[in-house]
Amino acid sequence: SQTIHQWPATLVQPVGSPLSLECTVEGTSNPNLYWYRQAAGRGLQLLFYSVGIGQISSEVPQNLSASRPQDRQFILSSKKLLLSDSGFYLCAWTTGFSLYGYTFGSGTRLTVV
Amino acid sequence: AQTVTQSQPEMSVQEAETVTLSCTYDTSESDYYLFWYKQPPSRQMILVIRQEAYKQQNATENRFSVNFQKAAKSFSLKISDSQLGDAAMYFCAYVRETSGSRLTFGEGTQLTVNP
Repeated sequence: SQTIHQWPATLVQPVGSPLSLECTVEGTSNPNLYWYRQAAGRGLQLLFYSVGIGQISSEVPQNLSASRPQDRQFILSSKKLLLSDSGFYLCAWTTGFSLYGYTFGSGTRLTVV
Repeated sequence: AQTVTQSQPEMSVQEAETVTLSCTYDTSESDYYLFWYKQPPSRQMILVIRQEAYKQQNATENRFSVNFQKAAKSFSLKISDSQLGDAAMYFCAYVRETSGSRLTFGEGTQLTVNP
């Protein structure tokens, strides 16, 4: 069966420090991968998505970047965190078919201090 | 661009009663899918129910059912026999029937279940 792993679960980082959040999917190949951010328990904002290795699309220009070095690995990064980067980050995957919706990881709560 | 609107930021229901959460969406597409996701305090996103736009029959999953009105672009979620474990944030979501499409979420409705 397919599973998605996301880590770390919680992270507290000082302003100006780098960030690396990792997401991996098991049990499938060539998934579509997504990074979402959720602020204050409200709606989800799509940050990045990828339909293949090295293929990254950005929805919102900001202080973050994403990479997909392997088929089932998706990384969210920042060189210098801002206070406004605080939030709950969710990784998700789907097959190429929209019918099945997305399967989400358990999320990372990031607090920038 | 597609938009999803949930006009009820908060709702409450008595245990064992029925509650309906509202969702409207805007799209020019004819083929798409709609979803309701549940996010409990753990913040794990859980798929509750999905509806294919080409199907006239409303989807049902145990105590959860939808009222899909395609012409009105309305997609409400009905929870019957509400349980304490149903307390969560509920998100309505839309995606086009195209490979690689992105899921668009509403702002969510916080459901409280009172004992």
